[in-house]
Amino acid sequence: EDQVTQSPEALRLQEGESSSLNCSYTVSGLRGLFWYRQDPGKGPEFLFTLYSAGEEKEKERLKATLTKKESFLHITAPKPEDSATYLCAVSAGGTSYGKLTFGQGTILTVHP
Amino acid sequence: DGGITQSPKYLFRKEGQNVTLSCEQNLNHDAMYWYRQDPGQGLRLIYYSQIVNDFQKGDIAEGYSVSREKKESFPLTVTSAQKNPTAFYLCASSLRPGTGGSTNEKLFFGSGTQLSVL
Repeated sequence: EDQVTQSPEALRLQEGESSSLNCSYTVSGLRGLFWYRQDPGKGPEFLFTLYSAGEEKEKERLKATLTKKESFLHITAPKPEDSATYLCAVSAGGTSYGKLTFGQGTILTVHP
Repeated sequence: DGGITQSPKYLFRKEGQNVTLSCEQNLNHDAMYWYRQDPGQGLRLIYYSQIVNDFQKGDIAEGYSVSREKKESFPLTVTSAQKNPTAFYLCASSLRPGTGGSTNEKLFFGSGTQLSVL
C-alpha cells in the first residue's frame, strides 16, 4: 500500500526566514509526485509535478526537489502570502492511473 | 474561464436525509473525482470516473453514490447510510489517466463544499 507522510504538521516562520517542508513516500514504482497549495476553505491549487529522482522545479520563492524516498519543498525568503497548507501526493505503479495518494499536509504560517 | 464549479459552498444535512453535491467542469476533461477532506487528514478518494457512464469506487465509497451521465457533470449524493458526513468535499478533474503518462494525472480542483449535519 502506498504511503505518504508529510512533516512537520505545522511550521511557523518569520517573514524572510527560509525553510523546507518534507514529503516522504513509500510506493511501488513512482510515476509522479505532486505538490499543491491549499488556502483555507478553498480547493488545492497545483504547484509542481516531479517524475524522477534528481529532478528540481522552481516557481517564485518555491523550489521542489525529489529523491528516491522523499521530496522537499524549499521556501526561500517567505512572505505572509505564502501562508497556506501544502499538500503532497503520489501516483504509483501499484495503483490505478488517476488514483493519487495524499499526505496529510503541512500548515505553513509566515508572520510579518 | 475554464474551471470546475462546485455548489453549494455550504450544505446542511438533517438526519436520514440524502443530499447531492454538484460538480461541473468546462475543461473538456475525461476524468472526474470526488475527495473527502477531514481536518488533519489527507484527501481520501470517494469515487472516480474516467469516462461517461462509467465510475469506480475509491477508498471510502460506503454511504455515497455518483452518476456520470454527461462529460461535464459528476454529482455526488451523500446518503443517510453515511453516518459521519461532516467534511469538506472536493471535486477534481484531469485529462484521461493512463494516456500521456503521469502528466494526465495532474488534478484540477473545484473550490469545495462544506457539508455539516444539523
